[in-house]
Amino acid sequence: GEDVEQSLFLSVREGDSSVINCTYTDSSSTYLYWYKQEPGAGLQLLTYIFSNMDMKQDQRLTVLLNKKDKHLSLRIADTQTGDSAIYFCAEETGNTGKLIFGQGTTLQVKP
Amino acid sequence: NAGVTQTPKFQVLKTGQSMTLQCAQDMNHNSMYWYRQDPGMGLRLIYYSASEGTTDKGEVPNGYNVSRLNKREFSLRLESAAPSQTSVYFCASRMESGGGGYTFGSGTRLTVV
Repeated sequence: GEDVEQSLFLSVREGDSSVINCTYTDSSSTYLYWYKQEPGAGLQLLTYIFSNMDMKQDQRLTVLLNKKDKHLSLRIADTQTGDSAIYFCAEETGNTGKLIFGQGTTLQVKP
Repeated sequence: NAGVTQTPKFQVLKTGQSMTLQCAQDMNHNSMYWYRQDPGMGLRLIYYSASEGTTDKGEVPNGYNVSRLNKREFSLRLESAAPSQTSVYFCASRMESGGGGYTFGSGTRLTVV
């Protein structure tokens, strides 16, 4: 079945780059997403990538997709304390619009 | 625009009590979803409604029922609450599949004692 896996925790220093990784199992995924959740809030869409793309860049965010290895990553350049949050990757398969989420990676940014 | 509105924000129930979580969106989205979030487990889909008048089970539907009252509103009902249903519940909506993702509500934190 569909499954999305992420490491649970990442700690970086302010100004460094952060790389959050995600693996998924469904080779028929059409879109892959990154969401950010701040404490006590809902999930906010950061970016997404279509499955026929290898890379997408949006300001400080770079998404890399290796479809062969079913591996997705989110790179945050010049990480700031305001980037501290939980980051979820999610895959969309089929045409139902359902998203399957990973467990979430808690990013801790140290000053 | 308000986006996706969930009520209540917090709720404490006793085991066996019932309650309905409300969700409404003002973006004219076709599809709506209910997820639960538990530590270390990410978000798990409970039920979804691909369009007005249809509902389908997700990954963890047991103990829940839903109603798609109209295009705007999608409610989640716990008929007999259990401690295992202690969680944060999120409602989300989207226009259609294929890029763009969900818009989420701010969540309902439910504790069953």
